[in-house]
Formats: sequence, structure tokens, C-alpha cells
Amino acid sequence: DAGVIQSPRHEVTEMGQEVTLRCKPISGHNSLFWYRQTMMRGLELLIYFNNNVPIDDSGMPEDRFSAKMPNASFSTLKIQPSEPRDSAVYFCGTAPGGTAGNTIYFGEGSWLTVV
Amino acid sequence: AQTVTQSQPEMSVQEAETVTLSCTYDTSESDYYLFWYKQPPSRQMILVIRQEAYKQQNATENRFSVNFQKAAKSFSLKISDSQLGDAAMYFCAYRSLTQKLVFGQGTRLTINP
Repeated sequence: DAGVIQSPRHEVTEMGQEVTLRCKPISGHNSLFWYRQTMMRGLELLIYFNNNVPIDDSGMPEDRFSAKMPNASFSTLKIQPSEPRDSAVYFCGTAPGGTAGNTIYFGEGSWLTVV
Repeated sequence: AQTVTQSQPEMSVQEAETVTLSCTYDTSESDYYLFWYKQPPSRQMILVIRQEAYKQQNATENRFSVNFQKAAKSFSLKISDSQLGDAAMYFCAYRSLTQKLVFGQGTRLTINP
């Protein structure tokens, strides 16, 4: 089975540009998580969805960040406008729903550099 | 809020020897799940092992095992017969019934040949 698929793997963009990161969950997984990893702050949960509905977006840093899950097989994380401090690795993780004991499986990450 | 602490930023071990990575967590919940993830230089997050808090028996996966001490809120990872491919960042993580997964700061493990 295919794992969690993220795109792009790497992106370099200029400050002020819009960035869209994409995630395709494992088929049948109905919980989806977006994390950001930086040297200074480690791994931070930005937002997570259950059955396509955002459950907790308290980790979204500010209004420049938005996330959507229009259907069970696709999610996006958008940054507009981007800033150099947004440079990080962004991970998407998915899990079967129903219990917190289910393991979250992660994609390979999207490495974002904003210059 | 739950917190996870890994007090060892870096560890090193000789190939074929055993190493233990420490993790403590803070929670007021009685039911939760604990995980260790490995992040090699490729940056992918790979599950190593998981533990249910309601189980007293420590989880094992081949060369990897945990020492789960619920009262002490401790969850250490033991790697036996260390191999060069074990070199990576290791993250301890806590998952509550609200389903959030909280990570520790990570421990960088180096394997010396």
C-alpha cells in the first residue's frame, strides 16, 4: 500500500509568495495531522482533521496559514504571504480514526525555504 | 497540557552494544499511548515502537524494547545490538485520547563503528 504522499518534497520561494503544500493520506485513514519541524521549536502540531473536519487548529501560527481537507483523499496547507521564518519541514501524518491508540504514519515531509 | 521531555540531546554507542534513550512525560490522564519515532537523515518519521498505558507489559520489537514506568511517567527506549543503520534522531511522543500527538525534543543517536 502507498504511504502518506506529500508534495512538493522541496520548495524554495521568495518572501511574500503563496505556498501550497499537499498531502494524500493513506486510503481508509480518516484522521490527518499537519506538523511543522524547526530546529528552534521542534515538532509542532499545526492542525488536525477527523473525517475531513478540522478539530483543533490552535497550533496554526497566524492568519497567514490555512488548511483544508475538501475530501478524504486530499489536504492542503497554504501560507500566504510566506515569510523567511516559515522555513521548516512540514509533515503530514494520517491515522485510522476511532481511537487515539492508532499509530500516526507520516509522509516524507515538504522542505520549505523562504528567502 | 501534556509535555514530553527527552533530557539527552545526544547519545553515542559502539556498534553491537546496547543504548538506552530516556523520556519522561507529564499528564493528568490515566489512559494514553506512547510512541518512539526514528528520523534518519532522510527526515522521514518512522515508527519504532508503541505502548498502551493500560498495559503493564513492556512493548518489544526485535532489537527495540521499552521500559514503561507509569507511576514515574517514564518511557525509555532500549536498542540492543546497535547497528550503523540505527543512527538517527529519536523522538518520544505522547498521544492522548483527544488524539493529539505531542513530541519530545529528540535525541540524536550516533553509532560508532
